[in-house]
Amino acid sequence: AQKITQTQPGMFVQEKEAVTLDCTYDTSDQSYGLFWYKQPSSGEMIFLIYQGSYDEQNATEGRYSLNFQKARKSANLVISASQLGDSAMYFCAMRGPDSWGKLQFGAGTQVVVTP
Amino acid sequence: KAGVTQTPRYLIKTRGQQVTLSCSPISGHRSVSWYQQTPGQGLQFLFEYFSETQRNKGNFPGRFSGRQFSNSRSEMNVSTLELGDSALYLCASSYHADYKLSGRGNEQFFGPGTRLTVL
Repeated sequence: AQKITQTQPGMFVQEKEAVTLDCTYDTSDQSYGLFWYKQPSSGEMIFLIYQGSYDEQNATEGRYSLNFQKARKSANLVISASQLGDSAMYFCAMRGPDSWGKLQFGAGTQVVVTP
Repeated sequence: KAGVTQTPRYLIKTRGQQVTLSCSPISGHRSVSWYQQTPGQGLQFLFEYFSETQRNKGNFPGRFSGRQFSNSRSEMNVSTLELGDSALYLCASSYHADYKLSGRGNEQFFGPGTRLTVL
């Protein structure tokens, strides 16, 4: 069974600072995918970044980067130069090789960016 | 490219009624997944359809059902609504069609959701 753990329920970040959101996972599969999503108060789930377990380089998408440490089973999201619009709930999710469209989500981390 | 669309955005129903939610995936995406989000249970997977076939199903009672049409649009139906069915229902579409989990094509994009309130 797969499990995603996000240990930070909430955090405050100052505008323009970088922030790291923790995500650890547990799986016995060798092939899997890791996702990060942002959910603002409007409710829409916004895709941020994806990392496949066999992808050799850490994924990056603009201000978002994924610090993938396979041996430690961690997939932390780094947001550089935080903006006020980054205030939202952030979810880490995982998909296994037999899961098809099923994502297993963590509990989420609430980020509040302050001026 | 248009994103995932869901209709309606908001619904209010009473216990015992049934409801149908609709999801139109991104053009070219053949996989559609449905999730239920509640404050208590978080995000839970309902089911996934690919080319009109249900490929995966979560642990929900049979009152929850879905289908996918030949144009990849999907509907989910909840019969005999209960108060606990009040939730945000999210639909997601993806291009991926196989086991490949490396690189692009595996992203799952979500719609804005349908907020269902059962009174």
